[in-house]
Amino acid sequence: DTEVTQTPKHLVMGMTNKKSLKCEQHMGHRAMYWYKQKAKKPPELMFVYSYEKLSINESVPSRFSPECPNSSLLNLHLHALQPEDSALYLCASSRRAREEETQYFGPGTRLLVL
Amino acid sequence: AQRVTQPEKLLSVFKGAPVELKCNYSYSGSPELFWYVQYSRQRLQLLLRHISRESIKGFTADLNKGETSFHLKKPFAQEEDSAMYYCALNSGFQKLVFGTGTRLLVSP
Repeated sequence: DTEVTQTPKHLVMGMTNKKSLKCEQHMGHRAMYWYKQKAKKPPELMFVYSYEKLSINESVPSRFSPECPNSSLLNLHLHALQPEDSALYLCASSRRAREEETQYFGPGTRLLVL
Repeated sequence: AQRVTQPEKLLSVFKGAPVELKCNYSYSGSPELFWYVQYSRQRLQLLLRHISRESIKGFTADLNKGETSFHLKKPFAQEEDSAMYYCALNSGFQKLVFGTGTRLLVSP
């Protein structure tokens, strides 16, 4: 398996809902990432996990809560989101969290907050 | 601060014409630079990286540290090259910083 998979593909949620995004890879990568991509904008880094530990949080609001239960799985828990949080959420992975490593991206979850 | 600049939002060329997508970066150290491509309705994928010095799908990119540039070039554009191209810099803090992207449109 040489891909990063993400579920669901689409998600619509209200501002009071709690939902989770899931990301999975079976390439043996030990670094995983969450990015947010607004329409017609580049991806922006949110979180980095290295060896299942959170190593970077780019000052993301606490309504976004990442979790890395094991080396293959990365979750993003969502609670009390705002309409401006509507975006494409991308997951990526790399062999290690090092600058020369290529990051492999999933197809994304398109989130709409009503 | 690390920054990547792609000055062109849209680049429109005819099939068979040469293509150059510009990328300039701002970083005080030795950067790791990448070109990512996103075809319509597909995921973001790596096109090439400066460290490997490869030519992928006819594209090449040379790192010019003096001009802090990493321009992407192809001598003869094909219609299937139409896509969004992002230049990205990994500064060593596990952070990939993307430029704003250039949409390449190759017309027949």
